[in-house]
Amino acid sequence: QQQVKQSPQSLIVQKGGISIINCAYENTAFDYFPWYQQFPGKGPALLIAIRPDVSEKKEGRFTISFNKSAKQFSLHIMDSQPGDSATYFCAALAGGTSYGKLTFGQGTILTVHP
Amino acid sequence: EADIYQTPRYLVIGTGKKITLECSQTMGHDKMYWYQQDPGMELHLIHYSYGVNSTEKGDLSSESTVSRIRTEHFPLTLESARPSHTSQYLCASSSRGVPLQYFGAGTRLSVL
Repeated sequence: QQQVKQSPQSLIVQKGGISIINCAYENTAFDYFPWYQQFPGKGPALLIAIRPDVSEKKEGRFTISFNKSAKQFSLHIMDSQPGDSATYFCAALAGGTSYGKLTFGQGTILTVHP
Repeated sequence: EADIYQTPRYLVIGTGKKITLECSQTMGHDKMYWYQQDPGMELHLIHYSYGVNSTEKGDLSSESTVSRIRTEHFPLTLESARPSHTSQYLCASSSRGVPLQYFGAGTRLSVL
């Protein structure tokens, strides 16, 4: 059972546009929601993360919006650049576990055209 | 520089061979993880470790085994590789009490 559902599978945006990737989760025990960025041939790199006690977190051009009641969170990339072209994964982690087990979404392939 | 290293980056091997994928981290993290990722797909946790001499199986069943004899080292072994094991294997680590996981560059395994 897929516990974190991510959409869209792929996204094409023009340079300067806004990229929006959405995730929904089912497990109410999740209490940490990171986003990872992965370039071809590389491992995922942590981009930004949020806890459910805040509704929004912004770091530079990247913003996470969080809706606890709807069990949804999204990544917004403002002023998208060709260098942002990568695969983006949302993830969720349940609190109270000592090993920090992450559950990943299916990934979104973002292409930013110049 | 603190980092997490995986070797080899690419491995092509015949069916039935025994292989070990290496993972080492210099960040002093006590927790380490192995994920399996097929091209364009999500990551699935196959093994994790709380610390030395602690290993557990993850969500995705895997025929591989792991060991954690040293804090910084978390190798993954396949006793008899099969074509179904063809995938990318990613190693990650995190610190106690901090959920941030840092990933290595991965090993892309092809079993012929």
